[in-house]
Amino acid sequence: EPEVTQTPSHQVTQMGQEVILRCVPISNHLYFYWYRQILGQKVEFLVSFYNNEISEKSEIFDDQFSVERPDGSNFTLKIRSTKLEDSAMYFCASSGTGPLNTGELFFGEGSRLTVL
Amino acid sequence: TQLLEQSPQFLSIQEGENLTVYCNSSSVFSSLQWYRQEPGEGPVLLVTVVTGGEVKKLKRLTFQFGDARKDSSLHITAAQPGDTGLYLCALADQTGANNLFFGTGTRLTVIP
Repeated sequence: EPEVTQTPSHQVTQMGQEVILRCVPISNHLYFYWYRQILGQKVEFLVSFYNNEISEKSEIFDDQFSVERPDGSNFTLKIRSTKLEDSAMYFCASSGTGPLNTGELFFGEGSRLTVL
Repeated sequence: TQLLEQSPQFLSIQEGENLTVYCNSSSVFSSLQWYRQEPGEGPVLLVTVVTGGEVKKLKRLTFQFGDARKDSSLHITAAQPGDTGLYLCALADQTGANNLFFGTGTRLTVIP
């Protein structure tokens, strides 16, 4: 069964360092997302990506964040200069038709980021 | 962004008991999805409800969409320890962007 894969599963970094989280969405999907979940809190929308550009971003997704789909298969989230409050589980998701068409989002298992 | 509130926030019950969790929106939505998230994993879709008053059953889980399409409930019959997890309702952004926003979640623990 196709699945969304994420790497690394866990990354520990020093405050101020750059971090890149990688995702391989399901191959025929068109919509890609990043969400984050701070420990014990809700799943928060960060950004959506469609047709090789950002569709929408939340207020969390400030200038320190960027996304790329460099080679047609990978979908990356970069945090330029990490802060303590960036510590969270980051989930990548992809969808064939998107939730507006009642499409399911398929989530990866997440990348846990710990900023020290 | 529409606000989705879920209640209760935490629920701890004994195996075999029944329970209901609720999802309420500040405005009408066209469809709603329920996801379940187990510890250390990403959310997994359980069901999508579209029509006001719709009821869907998934084994021991019963999902209902309110008539006015502003609320939904999930009822679990004879809960089992395997039902333990975070239950999330989610709705599509109505502004046109094809995004999904999650509710605050109900964390269920079923004690054997």
